[in-house]
Amino acid sequence: DTGVSQDPRHKITKRGQNVTFRCDPISEHNRLYWYRQTLGQGPEFLTYFQNEAQLEKSRLLSDRFSAERPKGSFSTLEIQRTEQGDSAMYLCATKDRDNQPQHFGDGTRLSIL
Amino acid sequence: GNSVTQMEGPVTLSEEAFLTINCTYTATGYPSLFWYVQYPGEGLQLLLKATKADDKGSNKGFEATYRKETTSFHLEKGSVQVSDSAVYFCALSEESGGSNYKLTFGKGTLLTVNP
Repeated sequence: DTGVSQDPRHKITKRGQNVTFRCDPISEHNRLYWYRQTLGQGPEFLTYFQNEAQLEKSRLLSDRFSAERPKGSFSTLEIQRTEQGDSAMYLCATKDRDNQPQHFGDGTRLSIL
Repeated sequence: GNSVTQMEGPVTLSEEAFLTINCTYTATGYPSLFWYVQYPGEGLQLLLKATKADDKGSNKGFEATYRKETTSFHLEKGSVQVSDSAVYFCALSEESGGSNYKLTFGKGTLLTVNP
């Protein structure tokens, strides 16, 4: 397995700009999760995909956030009109079966100027 | 809802000292419990897990026992090394239908081990 891959590792942008992150899962992992981790806190759940279907969204996922997984493989997370409060580490995790743990990527660190 | 409460850090120990990081949880169903470790600049790595009451998870000298009666999952290691310095997260996942197996994390505990 090559592991969960996230791109970019770091993103610095100005407030108000749009940003998009990508997550490539471990091959054949059909379940994909996005989490957000702010400094000094544990990760918080944002959204969940099973194959291409987005089955759950947290109330943390405001209407400026959108996530897709068009072919049930890679996923993208877009933030529109970024705000200072969006500065965080965005983590992607994937798993294959019910009783297996989630495997995390190294995350994308977003900094809003 | 579900929640996880971890011992506040930071924790600073000397090499070969005994480590305990306390973790308690609240869950509506029958969760699986996990410890994840995060090294600087990296994502989370699974350290160990337990899926039912009285299970003991173990890995790399770390252990934790699922205690349903006290809703706890404390992490222990008999002799820490400098390389164990990292942030440790306790987490739970509801394993019942409809939960989607999403993880609920504690705030993390920073461990620093000095030589």
